[in-house]
Amino acid sequence: DTGVSQNPRHKITKRGQNVTFRCDPISEHNRLYWYRQTLGQGPEFLTYFQNEAQLEKSRLLSDRFSAERPKGSFSTLEIQRTEQGDSAMYLCASSLMTRDRGQRRPFYEQYFGPGTRLTVT
Amino acid sequence: GEDVEQSLFLSVREGDSSVINCTYTDSSSTYLYWYKQEPGAGLQLLTYIFSNMDMKQDQRLTVLLNKKDKHLSLRIADTQTGDSAIYFCADSTLTFGKGTMLLVSP
Repeated sequence: DTGVSQNPRHKITKRGQNVTFRCDPISEHNRLYWYRQTLGQGPEFLTYFQNEAQLEKSRLLSDRFSAERPKGSFSTLEIQRTEQGDSAMYLCASSLMTRDRGQRRPFYEQYFGPGTRLTVT
Repeated sequence: GEDVEQSLFLSVREGDSSVINCTYTDSSSTYLYWYKQEPGAGLQLLTYIFSNMDMKQDQRLTVLLNKKDKHLSLRIADTQTGDSAIYFCADSTLTFGKGTMLLVSP
């Protein structure tokens, strides 16, 4: 397994167009996360899945953003009617539950993909 | 929403110790993370600490947690030029700081 992969790596689109990005997680990882990162900022959490269930979507930036993980494996992030402010790096991460020695609470170590850079002209 | 704050820039000489500081607002965070991002590379989890710990040491890295002040620090001993990167802290709500750029000069 080569880690989390994202496609495409770069996307240039015109304002108003729809775009879709794909993320393939590490195969045994059951959680998958989407983030947005703009220049000079840290990653901004958008949503995450446990298997095929989307457990958190209140932090999606607007109703133009949606994500799916239909079979609990790869995921897609779609942005409809893109705006110039959507230009950013979109990051995907996946994780598997582990337990740290001596801790009762589970821990999820996230492995990040290389990202998809979106430019909206 | 929750907030995580970091100083933006730190410059040290090779061989010195580096200390990167972070403050957070989410008092219910069960664990806090430090990530490293090198130019052109993805984010990499460097270390983490559970909220019931005050300190965690991992080779050259030492994490200190002050829950009362909601303050987290990352100390890198014997800093090397290869440690030059942006370091992010994050809380359990997956809120990240803006990152601290560490520049290590020879």
